[in-house]
Amino acid sequence: DAGVIQSPRHEVTEMGQEVTLRCKPISGHDYLFWYRQTMMRGLELLIYFNNNVPIDDSGMPEDRFSAKMPNASFSNLKIQPSEPRDSAVYFCASSTSGGRENYNEQFFGPGTRLTVL
Amino acid sequence: KQEVTQIPAALSVPEGENLVLNCSFTDSAIYNLQWFRQDPGKGLTSLLLIQSSQREQTSGRLNASLDKSSGRSTLYIAASQPGDSATYLCAAVDSNYQLIWGAGTKLIIKP
Repeated sequence: DAGVIQSPRHEVTEMGQEVTLRCKPISGHDYLFWYRQTMMRGLELLIYFNNNVPIDDSGMPEDRFSAKMPNASFSNLKIQPSEPRDSAVYFCASSTSGGRENYNEQFFGPGTRLTVL
Repeated sequence: KQEVTQIPAALSVPEGENLVLNCSFTDSAIYNLQWFRQDPGKGLTSLLLIQSSQREQTSGRLNASLDKSSGRSTLYIAASQPGDSATYLCAAVDSNYQLIWGAGTKLIIKP
């Protein structure tokens, strides 16, 4: 398996523009997580899905942030309009709820480094 | 509310030494605990996962222990190598299956 795939790897945009980050989880994983990492706040959970359904979005900072998972192999995170303080590395992770071994172990994608000017 | 702390924030040791990284958590009601490695500008790589019913897990030169009663986990690295230089993060999985992260320990192994 190729692991969790994220695109783009780097995104530079201007304030006010819409940003879309994409994630393809590991095949067969039924949990998908979106995280944000900054120097000041470390890793923060934004939202997670189970079987394509959003379970907890309490970490989404503002209404400017939205995430969808239209099917088991794709999720996107949108920021509209973007602001400089949204600059961070955004990680997607997936996990499986089944099996006795490595239960709930999360596997991370390489991240998208977002810079909002 | 679960809080996870890692001390020290940074550690520098000569190559070949054995070392221990510490992780503490405030609420013992964790589902499991996971150790990750993050290289500069890169993603997170899962190193070891310890279920709440387990005391330790081993992978190669790495050994992670878990003591729920004291709210502590340690990551032991044997015979350290320059390639072990990275930031090591621990995360406790709470009853909602959410990872509660420590701030990490930045490890530098000097050749």
